[in-house]
Amino acid sequence: DVKVTQSSRYLVKRTGEKVFLECVQDMDHENMFWYRQDPGLGLRLIYFSYDVKMKEKGDIPEGYSVSREKKERFSLILESASTNQTSMYLCASSLWDQPQHFGDGTRLSIL
Amino acid sequence: AQRVTQPEKLLSVFKGAPVELKCNYSYSGSPELFWYVQYSRQRLQLLLRHISRESIKGFTADLNKGETSFHLKKPFAQEEDSAMYYCALRGSSASKIIFGSGTRLSIRP
Repeated sequence: DVKVTQSSRYLVKRTGEKVFLECVQDMDHENMFWYRQDPGLGLRLIYFSYDVKMKEKGDIPEGYSVSREKKERFSLILESASTNQTSMYLCASSLWDQPQHFGDGTRLSIL
Repeated sequence: AQRVTQPEKLLSVFKGAPVELKCNYSYSGSPELFWYVQYSRQRLQLLLRHISRESIKGFTADLNKGETSFHLKKPFAQEEDSAMYYCALRGSSASKIIFGSGTRLSIRP
């Protein structure tokens, strides 16, 4: 069974901090994704990656960056956290043409 | 541009009644469509995809290219169907998947 693990279920940070959200998958998937999930807005794609060191912007990349140094790990970075980045963050992975598998999510609060 | 529209934020039906969750999409090529479900306190998971043409937990969805729709249907709702449902689209030339805003399905006893 595919396992997508997000390092934290809950995280509280302060405005202006640099925040790292980590995601690891154990099925050798090429594709990895970061979404944020907000009520009434659904899932919005922040960034995705289809290979090591490759990244593509999603629909709302502003204020975020990503890192994929190893195939199994995809990190989301908030360069300078702001209160409007308080949200649920979901990581997913997939093989090229297969459906995505999701992690449990990280609920991030920026104070 | 790719877009997925779920017009209903909330759908409430009685147990045993038919259910239809609407999904319309905008895409110029041949998309692949999915339905994902998130039960309370669980992770988001795949419910079904249009290319497999199967019924999962009594749910079916047919891709209608003429109407650009992929509505999710179940003839008799059960209480355990209460969840958040997301329609999603993948374009033919990219791995990125776009989601709709979701519909919360509530089944009343």
